[in-house]
Amino acid sequence: ETGVTQSPTHLIKTRGQQVTLRCSSQSGHNTVSWYQQALGQGPQFIFQYYREEENGRGNFPPRFSGLQFPNYSSELNVNALELDDSALYLCASSSRVSEAFFGQGTRLTVV
Amino acid sequence: DAKTTQPPSMDCAEGRAANLPCNHSTISGNEYVYWYRQIHSQGPQYIIHGLKNNETNEMASLIITEDRKSSTLILPHATLRDTAVYYCISLLGNTGTASKLTFGTGTRLQVTL
Repeated sequence: ETGVTQSPTHLIKTRGQQVTLRCSSQSGHNTVSWYQQALGQGPQFIFQYYREEENGRGNFPPRFSGLQFPNYSSELNVNALELDDSALYLCASSSRVSEAFFGQGTRLTVV
Repeated sequence: DAKTTQPPSMDCAEGRAANLPCNHSTISGNEYVYWYRQIHSQGPQYIIHGLKNNETNEMASLIITEDRKSSTLILPHATLRDTAVYYCISLLGNTGTASKLTFGTGTRLQVTL
């Protein structure tokens, strides 16, 4: 158990819909990063939030957006879902003095 | 961040040491080597990291060559629960600043009876 919780654990959406995934960071961590992991691949960095501001972004289109709240929890929003968005979405929290701790992920299936 | 190269898969007998190699020949002087592992259907788990000295913790040892172009993660007494994909990542920064991780495809370690 890392103290990082993600919800929901599984989700099925239809192409074109929008989805919101949630992450609660570990106590004392002020940085949250989101990753997408397609089947058989390593996780790919989407973006990072530090103290409620975006702090770096990977090679993902603008329809992937996020938020970080004052309690450092975070949301990942994906608009106009495509079939290729089907993946495991991972959240990781960290601080200046700790490595990244990952949650168990949300398995998103787009049909 | 420097690119890393790992073998796609390895086998290890339970109770024996598992030695997982990683090549990072283009690593710069201020890039750290991190190791994470991912057990099936779980999020990645931090194992260890180092800059140039060998490191050891309760999970593993990290041996970095003197020229820093390669490293080896050692699980001293592998168990079935160590079966996972192991990722070697080279990255600027230490601890919390090193959280924008670039994962490759890793090494799938299978521990057998």
